[in-house]
Amino acid sequence: EVQLLESGGGLVQPGGFLRLSCAASGFTFSNYGMTWVRQAPGKGLEWVSIISGSGDVTYYADSVKGRFTISRDNSKNTLYLQMNSLRAEDTAVYYCATPKVMGATGGFDYWGQGTLVTVSS
Amino acid sequence: DIQMTQSPSTLSASVGDRVTITCRASQSISSWLAWYQQKPGKAPKLLIYEASSLESGVPSRFSGSGSGTDFTLTISSLQPDDFATYYCQQYNSYSTFGQGTKVEVK
Repeated sequence: EVQLLESGGGLVQPGGFLRLSCAASGFTFSNYGMTWVRQAPGKGLEWVSIISGSGDVTYYADSVKGRFTISRDNSKNTLYLQMNSLRAEDTAVYYCATPKVMGATGGFDYWGQGTLVTVSS
Repeated sequence: DIQMTQSPSTLSASVGDRVTITCRASQSISSWLAWYQQKPGKAPKLLIYEASSLESGVPSRFSGSGSGTDFTLTISSLQPDDFATYYCQQYNSYSTFGQGTKVEVK
């Protein structure tokens, strides 16, 4: 059974940092690109970042470029999101997700439960 | 960047109604489009991928169509469990979500 389990969320002051983790199981992790998606309270879904299965290709939304870094450790089946210079508008539930079709960058059939990041003084 | 425009933003309907939600891409995305259903406090659930492929386990009353820039999600006969928010997602170039359509009780 595929499982994605996020952790690392919490309350942080503006300008601070957090590192989110997503522990994956039940599939060959290194074969799939992984994505972070976020959802601000009461708002819609926002794509944040994607990393290839090997970890050598990454892309970011303009809203987080230069502040967030996506990475993965295929030996630990874990995805990460390092979030620096956090702003109030980064407050959201952060989900990790994986695509149904290997190599696709969307069509996510598995999602984690989400971890809440709150940026506030 | 590819923008996704979803309409309507809110839809009031009754059980048994045929419901249609549309999504328009700012440029061609071929068939790289997915539809999701989301309920409060839950992660999104994949309904349709590659514009018209039904995800395993999803009831056949859900269907997707379109290619290029214009796409449609249809619920043929709305059921009580279908009241939720629906999102489209393009994945031709990175990924972008539509702003969502809330299907509410009329």
